[in-house]
Amino acid sequence: DSGVTQTPKHLITATGQRVTLRCSPRSGDLSVYWYQQSLDQGLQFLIQYYNGEERAKGNILERFSAQQFPDLHSELNLSSLELGDSALYFCASSVGSGAPNEQFFGPGTRLTVL
Amino acid sequence: GQQLNQSPQSMFIQEGEDVSMNCTSSSIFNTWLWYKQDPGEGPVLLIALYKAGELTSNGRLTAQFGITRKDSFLNISASIPSDVGIYFCAGQQPNFNKFYFGSGTKLNVKP
Repeated sequence: DSGVTQTPKHLITATGQRVTLRCSPRSGDLSVYWYQQSLDQGLQFLIQYYNGEERAKGNILERFSAQQFPDLHSELNLSSLELGDSALYFCASSVGSGAPNEQFFGPGTRLTVL
Repeated sequence: GQQLNQSPQSMFIQEGEDVSMNCTSSSIFNTWLWYKQDPGEGPVLLIALYKAGELTSNGRLTAQFGITRKDSFLNISASIPSDVGIYFCAGQQPNFNKFYFGSGTKLNVKP
């Protein structure tokens, strides 16, 4: 158990819909990262927040957005969902923002768009 | 975007054999991390490397941060069936916050 929690574990929805994925970092970690992993693919970095502020952006679509709240939990919002958005979405957390930096991953949310 | 080349893509080995995999980049990294992922689970951190030339072990696993800072290696000795999974490398460039992940090495171990 990494200490990072994600809810829900599974999510099934229809195209065009909007969903919210939630992540709680490990106690004491200030950074939260979001990743997308499509079937049999590697991890694609989406976005990072540090202590409530956006710190780095990866290949995140404009239909996706995220935020980190004062209690440091984070939410990833996915809207106008398409079939291709079906994937595992992982959240990771780390103590700081820059190097050295060890990221610990949550169990993931499996999103299925029908 | 930044590319990490991880090889091999997959490996089929016999229990007890040693395994080697590596990641290379065209850019310099100041951090290398190695993760293992089981199906449907989140990646689990195995080893973290922060200094060029650093050699770090975690049980039967040994990883090295390449001298050029553009590569890293992971070795698994005396493999066992529970080593089965996908191994990912991840690198972080100086002055950047995001990590880049390799495409993974799928390891299969025959008892």
